[in-house]
Amino acid sequence: NAGVTQTPKFQVLKTGQSMTLQCAQDMNHEYMSWYRQDPGMGLRLIHYSVGAGITDQGEVPNGYNVSRSTTEDFPLRLLSAAPSQTSVYFCASSYSQFETQYFGPGTRLLVL
Amino acid sequence: KQEVTQIPAALSVPEGENLVLNCSFTDSAIYNLQWFRQDPGKGLTSLLLIQSSQREQTSGRLNASLDKSSGRSTLYIAASQPGDSATYLCAVKMDSSYKLIFGSGTRLLVRP
Repeated sequence: NAGVTQTPKFQVLKTGQSMTLQCAQDMNHEYMSWYRQDPGMGLRLIHYSVGAGITDQGEVPNGYNVSRSTTEDFPLRLLSAAPSQTSVYFCASSYSQFETQYFGPGTRLLVL
Repeated sequence: KQEVTQIPAALSVPEGENLVLNCSFTDSAIYNLQWFRQDPGKGLTSLLLIQSSQREQTSGRLNASLDKSSGRSTLYIAASQPGDSATYLCAVKMDSSYKLIFGSGTRLLVRP
């Protein structure tokens, strides 16, 4: 099993550009989520999904969109990047919200 | 509002020493608590998950305890090795929320 994979590993964007951060898991997990990690702020939940076709907002959803068309994939879209979205983004998955969560290696995003 | 605190923020010990990392939380209505390891520039690796009904979990040289009533968890590392050097994060899952609430982490350095 590859576990949770994320692409790209690193990305530089200009303010106003859009992009999609990819996340995939091969463990047949129903629950997937996106976190951002910032110095002094810890990890904060952006969006999550409890299964294909079902998504909901987390703690800091503004500026981000998600969709879940398959069990395996959970992409995160930045519609119009802002410098405040400079961060490290982690995708996580688990069998359910109550089980051990497995994290991907992260995407480091710099918005200029 | 749940707050998770980890003290100390950084710890340096000589190889072979037994050590304890601390995690405290303000709201005892947790569903479970998870300990993670994060290496520089990498994702989070789950170490141990303790359900609210459990007192401790063990994996190899690691032992995590949970005292819900006092709002504390400890991660005990026996016979530390330089390879244990990393940041250790604890996170709690509340009964009523999908998100994990993270502490800010303890950065551990094990000196050869």
